[in-house]
Formats: sequence, structure tokens, C-alpha cells
Amino acid sequence: SQQGEEDPQALSIQEGENATMNCSYKTSINNLQWYRQNSGRGLVHLILIRSNEREKHSGRLRVTLDTSKKSSSLLITASRAADTASYFCATDGVQGGSEKLVFGKGMKLTVNP
Amino acid sequence: DAGITQSPRHKVTETGTPVTLRCHQTENHRYMYWYRQDPGHGLRLIHYSYGVKDTDKGEVSDGYSVSRSKTEDFLLTLESATSSQTSVYFCAISETNRQNYGYTFGSGTRLTVV
Repeated sequence: SQQGEEDPQALSIQEGENATMNCSYKTSINNLQWYRQNSGRGLVHLILIRSNEREKHSGRLRVTLDTSKKSSSLLITASRAADTASYFCATDGVQGGSEKLVFGKGMKLTVNP
Repeated sequence: DAGITQSPRHKVTETGTPVTLRCHQTENHRYMYWYRQDPGHGLRLIHYSYGVKDTDKGEVSDGYSVSRSKTEDFLLTLESATSSQTSVYFCAISETNRQNYGYTFGSGTRLTVV
């Protein structure tokens, strides 16, 4: 069963605007990761935030993590048409013997030129 | 994607036939995974491997088997393909130290069972 759930499921914005995507999860985690998938392609790892971190930046990406609320957000600033893709959050759980990521269903971002 | 290749990229097969998908990596990563992606379900883990000859089941393992006889290759076999196994299959690899690194995904295999 999915651990993470992205919200909204779809988002359409204009180029230059900021895009914010949210992820909620259910159980304790070691880390949370965000991935991008362009149409017809494999997933690409964007950023990883560990459970003891609250915020992380990578270029135009900003990720926050609130373990008390079991939620994370991904902010893409100054969006570009090339950011159009599906975005997934994935959690690496702390259950004993857990050695795998669990992905959410994804959300589709459309950036209009 | 660099370091990981999946074959074939596309396959059409008939119900009841066995099918094997191959994942090959050149990164010498310990962990390898097979996921399937379906509309409305996101990615679901089928099987994974944590070393040569060491494999375990994922969330949706029924009807699938895997083998890993060497570090670089992870094979997924559909023992008797069914229409419900029509999907896009992704292989992924990860470092031994999973706490600090994300997964690297292959480009996927689109399988159609008719």
C-alpha cells in the first residue's frame, strides 16, 4: 500500500510562477525523497531529506519536512515549461528489515509557457 | 539512464506465456528493485534484491519471480502472463548506504499482454 500521498493530484501554472506540492505519509521514516518523471521516461531522483532535517535546498527546489505532521512539501521556484512532469514523493521507512522505498501515486505539474 | 539498462523496451506477449525482463547495471550497487507503474496506483514494488542470490517479495509479488545470479543483472519473470500484468515495469538500483542516496531508475519496459 502507498505510504506517501501527494496533493494536489494535478497543478497547472504559468511559467515563472512557483509550484508547491505536498506529501503526507503514515509511519515513521528514515528519509523522504522526491522524484520527477517526464512522460514516457523513468523516474529521476531530485532531492532527499532525512528525518532529522527540516529544510533542504537544491537549485530551484526547496523541500521541507515536518515529522510531527508526517508531511513534506516540494517548492519549485520560477517554474519553467521544462518542469512539466509528474512528481512523486517516496518514503524510506524505519520498520525492522525495511529496505525499500514506498512511492506515492504522484501528481502532475503542467507549466504553461 | 546512465549505469542501468532495461531490456526489452517494449514487448507484446500472449496470455499464458512466460516472459522475462532484464535489468543490467554497471554501478556495482548492492540493491536492485523491480516496480510496476499503473495509472491510479503509482509505483508498486514487485520484488527486490539486497545481494547476489538474496531476494525478497514486495507489495505485488504474486505471479512474478526474480533471480540475481550476479551483481549486475536482476531478472523479472512472469511465469504465465495475464492481462492484469500489462504495465510499465521499472528497475531501480541503490547504493549500500541508502540513507544518503536516492534510487536510479531505468527507462522502463512497456509490457502488453494480449
